[in-house]
Amino acid sequence: DAGITQSPRHKVTETGTPVTLRCHQTENHRYMYWYRQDPGHGLRLIHYSYGVKDTDKGEVSDGYSVSRSKTEDFLLTLESATSSQTSVYFCAIRGDRGSTEAFFGQGTRLTVV
Amino acid sequence: AQSVTQPDIHITVSEGASLELRCNYSYGATPYLFWYVQSPGQGLQLLLKYFSGDTLVQGIKGFEAEFKRSQSSFNLRKPSVHWSDAAEYFCAVWGSGTYKYIFGTGTRLKVLA
Repeated sequence: DAGITQSPRHKVTETGTPVTLRCHQTENHRYMYWYRQDPGHGLRLIHYSYGVKDTDKGEVSDGYSVSRSKTEDFLLTLESATSSQTSVYFCAIRGDRGSTEAFFGQGTRLTVV
Repeated sequence: AQSVTQPDIHITVSEGASLELRCNYSYGATPYLFWYVQSPGQGLQLLLKYFSGDTLVQGIKGFEAEFKRSQSSFNLRKPSVHWSDAAEYFCAVWGSGTYKYIFGTGTRLKVLA
């Protein structure tokens, strides 16, 4: 298994509070991604990173920000959580040579009440 | 822009029957294509991938997929389904010019004993 750890695995938070999810990798892979998974929508890309301090928006970036200050960590922040951000969040990584597939973490289930 | 369409939200087959899950993609250049499987409460596992060469690719668990450029399709097949194949299946496209994986909305497979 690719060395990807998401934390926390489960979180319940209140509307209006900031929340940070962490993705940590031990593979030294260049590319990292944050997706959210919702019934009927599949996986939708929130933000991604193609190197330290290099990030870009995905399809559903509103209300989210990211940071990547070192190769191994990619943080997703919900600036002011809303009920519409209740979802399962997946982190994925990809190397920049050789294998082309994405490897996924186990997910973080976030509930905003 | 990249996009993936999985037209079947749910599919039910009997154990031992053959299976075909449809995937259509949109991407301007030669795509990198993937099929992932997700069991309930789990992360995503790669079944197979295509980026060049033989258009019929073999994957794990007895799955195969065929790339048809003229139809912009990458359908997943299995000759004889097992009860353990019940899961959700996602098709994805990665763009070498965008560095993004875009996923379809998924097909949930139910297997009848």
